[in-house]
Amino acid sequence: GQNIDQPTEMTATEGAIVQINCTYQTSGFNGLFWYQQHAGEAPTFLSYNVLDGLEEKGRFSSFLSRSKGYSYLLLKELQMKDSASYLCAVRRADRGSTLGRLYFGRGTQLTVWP
Amino acid sequence: DTGVSQNPRHKITKRGQNVTFRCDPISEHNRLYWYRQTLGQGPEFLTYFQNEAQLEKSRLLSDRFSAERPKGSFSTLEIQRTEQGDSAMYLCASSSDREAFFGQGTRLTVV
Repeated sequence: GQNIDQPTEMTATEGAIVQINCTYQTSGFNGLFWYQQHAGEAPTFLSYNVLDGLEEKGRFSSFLSRSKGYSYLLLKELQMKDSASYLCAVRRADRGSTLGRLYFGRGTQLTVWP
Repeated sequence: DTGVSQNPRHKITKRGQNVTFRCDPISEHNRLYWYRQTLGQGPEFLTYFQNEAQLEKSRLLSDRFSAERPKGSFSTLEIQRTEQGDSAMYLCASSSDREAFFGQGTRLTVV
């Protein structure tokens, strides 16, 4: 298996900025994904990083440092609807192919307060 | 709707019965994954396909579980002789290089 660590819970207030960290240990790294998951629903794709640096997409940004085995998801201008679990997932290169399976962390439950 | 589609959305079954779930992936994606998720946990890998070939199956998967993707398009996941511990959300995802999208999932309850 792969070691993927992220905080269990975080809280923040509406309008604030929050950073959710994810560290991982894997061989054959081939991309890191972030997902948002509301209770009782399936995960929704947020971002994908395979090279070092920051990817920005509206209020959400994701950063990757491959040498440090580290990523974060940055959420700006928080809204109540952002209260959800945020899942970090690492893809490991598969033998004979670059597209292997995704390994998920347990998720970070974010609560946004008014 | 061009997203990943799963059917049924909910399934309640008695212990010992067989169940089958279906997943229709995004047509441009050749990779299809099955995951299982229980409350408070991240998705747990079950198996995946590239086109019709099943490339990997989790060793956590007992012989009661089987998956197929006969024509490299839709996939089915069958659970035989269901047990209460099989109760979970079963998620299907399809992917390309830079994205991986999940379907809405099938919530299985074994009573």
